[in-house]
Amino acid sequence: ETGVTQSPTHLIKTRGQQVTLRCSSQSGHNTVSWYQQALGQGPQFIFQYYREEENGRGNFPPRFSGLQFPNYSSELNVNALELDDSALYLCASSLDHGYTFGSGTRLTVV
Amino acid sequence: EDQVTQSPEALRLQEGESSSLNCSYTVSGLRGLFWYRQDPGKGPEFLFTLYSAGEEKEKERLKATLTKKESFLHITAPKPEDSATYLCAVRYSGNTPLVFGKGTRLSVIA
Repeated sequence: ETGVTQSPTHLIKTRGQQVTLRCSSQSGHNTVSWYQQALGQGPQFIFQYYREEENGRGNFPPRFSGLQFPNYSSELNVNALELDDSALYLCASSLDHGYTFGSGTRLTVV
Repeated sequence: EDQVTQSPEALRLQEGESSSLNCSYTVSGLRGLFWYRQDPGKGPEFLFTLYSAGEEKEKERLKATLTKKESFLHITAPKPEDSATYLCAVRYSGNTPLVFGKGTRLSVIA
């Protein structure tokens, strides 16, 4: 049974650029959620996808967008990057009640 | 208003010194309380899910308990390898996402 894998592990971008983060969900999990975790804080919910449809969104601006593909993998896109977007981005896949997290992508915006 | 509050923010223990971490929540209609362990720069690692008041679960030196307003993570005779941030999260209805607290940073000194 494979877990949740995220890529890349680390990324440095310049303010104003766009970034795409990728997540492969655990086998059989049809729901994927994305979280942003700033240093010293708990993860904050960005949005969730269930069978390719967004079915929940946290308090994040529209420049944060996503996709879920038929194989349940997912992308998080962030446009017009700001310095405050620097954080660990976590993907979690779930089926029913269990949530499995990936190791995250560390994004640094300079 | 925070829905999930964890205390203390940081805890330093000597090896073998037992203690407890607290997670209080204000949501109604709890559909699950989750405990995760997170090592620096890594994704959260699942520990326990609790669903109803009075429920208890154990794993090695860790024991989680749940009441109607809070949960405790008891650590018995901790070892240095137990050093990590412990995150608490709640799910309060249907297919809603996890709502996390800010975590407790535990340091166990040999």
